[in-house]
Formats: sequence, structure tokens, C-alpha cells
Amino acid sequence: GAGVSQSPRYKVAKRGQDVALRCDPISGHVSLFWYQQALGQGPEFLTYFQNEAQLDKSGLPSDRFFAERPEGSVSTLKIQRTQQEDSAVYLCASRYRRVSTDTQYFGPGTRLTVL
Amino acid sequence: SQQGEEDPQALSIQEGENATMNCSYKTSINNLQWYRQNSGRGLVHLILIRSNEREKHSGRLRVTLDTSKKSSSLLITASRAADTASYFCATDTNAGKSTFGDGTTLTVKP
Repeated sequence: GAGVSQSPRYKVAKRGQDVALRCDPISGHVSLFWYQQALGQGPEFLTYFQNEAQLDKSGLPSDRFFAERPEGSVSTLKIQRTQQEDSAVYLCASRYRRVSTDTQYFGPGTRLTVL
Repeated sequence: SQQGEEDPQALSIQEGENATMNCSYKTSINNLQWYRQNSGRGLVHLILIRSNEREKHSGRLRVTLDTSKKSSSLLITASRAADTASYFCATDTNAGKSTFGDGTTLTVKP
């Protein structure tokens, strides 16, 4: 019965380092979303999975961003060669089904700071 | 780019007063959702209103939707200090992903 969990909660990286952010969705949820939230702004869509298939990655800001969900449950968002503009809170959300009328449950987010 | 825009950006009221926040969007939607976010935490889903609905209630929350004007409002009645948070509207399309506005920061003074 746990909600969406994310780890780590906080990550500090030096510019140029690679980082990996993990999301554990609610068990049985088919849809998984990643969002990026800059300070003082609303979340912006990054990418979406239905089971293990990445159906939409139109929001990924550059080819340094890569996401996977190989077994249709846990997902990892990887950012290569981090830049200062990557500093943000990265939110993961899951839905039971794909349909938009299902409630979207959000995790607590990972706050990434790139120095 | 953001689909929704909340208005006002910030709102400060006394405990017990009502708070009204507005959201405007640009394209056709399947539904619209309101979320609350406390400082440093994830988003909490408050209420979903479908495109064929005009009004919905949940406890002290009342949401309206006017698809002809592409706008929605969230009313919180009898506000409490614990309602202090940022409130976001998010629109959903067939793709299932949500497009958020930049939120309204509500401060309820005890």
C-alpha cells in the first residue's frame, strides 16, 4: 500500500557528473511519468512509460537525459554530464491505467543541485 | 511551454476566509485536475473535473470548469492555516500526460 517513492531525495552533483534518479511507482500501476520542476514553477513533462514501453519522450530537454523502465515497474532517469540548468526537482508519478481520468499519484521528488 | 496559467500568482488571506484561484488554458482537454504542493514536498491530488462537467465539490473544495472560456476555478471555503501551500491546475489530453501551470501560492494567516 505504499505510495510512489523516489530516491535519493536530495542529490548534489558537480557539473559534468552523471546522475541516476530512481522511481518506485505504486504496485500494479501501468503508467509512469517523469516531470521536472524548476524553482517557483509548475512541473513540466519529461517522459512517459506504459509498462516497459517509453511512449513519449518529447519533454526530455536534451540527449543527455535518458529514462528507462526495463521490467515495467521501477524506472530510472539518468542525466549525463550534468549542467547547472539541470538543477531542479524531478518528480515521478504513476497511474493505474493510461486513461487520463485515473488519478495521478506523485512521489516526493528528488531535488538535484548541480554545482 | 505551459498550458495552464493560474491567477493570482500569490494570495494572502485570514483564517476563515474563502480563497479563490483561477486557471486558464489554451487547448481542448479531456479533464482538468487541481493539486496542492506544500513547500519541499510532492504534489497531492485534490480534485478532477471532466470536460463534460461544470462543477464539482469535495469537502471544502469547489471546482468549476467553463470549457467555452477555457478556464477553471478552485474555491477553498473556511480556509485554515494548514491550507497554506501552492496550488496547481493541470490539464490532461488523450495522451494522458498532464500540463501544469505555474501555480498560485496561498498563505492563510492564523
